Amino acid sequence: DAKTTQPNSMESNEEEPVHLPCNHSTISGTDYIHWYRQLPSQGPEYVIHGLTSNVNNRMASLAIAEDRKSSTLILHRATLRDAAVYYCILPVEANSKLTFGKGITLSVRP
Amino acid sequence: DAGVTQSPTHLIKTRGQHVTLRCSPISGHKSVSWYQQVLGQGPQFIFQYYEKEERGRGNFPDRFSARQFPNYSSELNVNALLLGDSALYLCASSEAGLSPLHFGNGTRLTVT
Repeated sequence: DAKTTQPNSMESNEEEPVHLPCNHSTISGTDYIHWYRQLPSQGPEYVIHGLTSNVNNRMASLAIAEDRKSSTLILHRATLRDAAVYYCILPVEANSKLTFGKGITLSVRP
Repeated sequence: DAGVTQSPTHLIKTRGQHVTLRCSPISGHKSVSWYQQVLGQGPQFIFQYYEKEERGRGNFPDRFSARQFPNYSSELNVNALLLGDSALYLCASSEAGLSPLHFGNGTRLTVT
């Protein structure tokens, strides 16, 4: 799988936007960019995915750089419930075989 | 709608024993995959099954095996348990193709 690089941790204030970066300089033209998050004591949860253009859903937005070597997950208004580990993943063989790194731990201050 | 359910939620075994973990996918999902998550690390892929056939296997020893039943539920079996097998075991289901994975909350296995 193409390698992704994320900061270890980030802090945010409640009700403020959060931008979580991910670098994937070796991405291929057909690699989708997936984001999952894992809340404490729970399994990972799908957040969003995209290929080339920016994507929005009820949970978040995904901004993909024009050269696709980086992307940013945007939480528009962080809540305490958004405190979690966020994983940026580029599946290769099949969406069921995901290679998780250590992810980025997001802390949200009240 | 019921999500992915796993049983048991917690389990304590001793070294050398065998364990069976169970997973029921979301209704209509035919693909089930298993992951191991050691404390402080991201999940690692173990197996994927689709339509009762193994479609992928991660870098795990032969002590790990799995199967999928006609109703698409799945079992993960681990023989000759080692202390290092202590982890959270996660099951995920999905529809075919590029659909996202839906994870259960896992089975916490402790090997003493």
